[in-house]
Amino acid sequence: KNEVEQSPQNLTAQEGEFITINCSYSVGISALHWLQQHPGGGIVSLFMLSSGKKKHGRLIATINIQEKHSSLHITASHPRDSAVYICAVPGSQGNLIFGKGTKLSVKP
Amino acid sequence: DSGVTQTPKHLITATGQRVTLRCSPRSGDLSVYWYQQSLDQGLQFLIQYYNGEERAKGNILERFSAQQFPDLHSELNLSSLELGDSALYFCASSGRFQRPGEETQYFGPGTRLLVL
Repeated sequence: KNEVEQSPQNLTAQEGEFITINCSYSVGISALHWLQQHPGGGIVSLFMLSSGKKKHGRLIATINIQEKHSSLHITASHPRDSAVYICAVPGSQGNLIFGKGTKLSVKP
Repeated sequence: DSGVTQTPKHLITATGQRVTLRCSPRSGDLSVYWYQQSLDQGLQFLIQYYNGEERAKGNILERFSAQQFPDLHSELNLSSLELGDSALYFCASSGRFQRPGEETQYFGPGTRLLVL
């Protein structure tokens, strides 16, 4: 069974800072997902990636398949980026296995 | 807006009762996933349906059951409710392709269940 570890658990940043959230998994995968959960509870899929790097606005996700590691970066962070960021990998049954999430708070 | 709808948004009920949560996937999506998010367990996969058939089962209790109807909407039935069933229940949909876990999943807004 794949184990998904995220770090840090909690992160507080000042507006404008560059932020990195890390995700490690134990078993080789074909794709990794980054999700964002808003304070109100809604979940949005940010990225699905299987190699290299993807960029969407100020968000960048990278993955190193050999090292079983992915990072989510936020450039020029803003208070509206405050949310829980969750990394997930496919399980053997086609479901997603989730990390415990990183709670990000960006202060103005 | 993900295009996935869930009803009701909130549900308060008593122990021992039965409730039904409803999910309508994005137009054209054939897969529906159900997830439970509790404070202590985080997000956990419950069950997946693909085009009306059960496809995969996760940590779903025997008191819980689900189905997907011909119009592709899905219902999650929770019975003999216990205090510990209080959680956020999400459904997600994906796939026009049969590669679960390797497609973007679109999440509904969730149903917040409180069992008193």
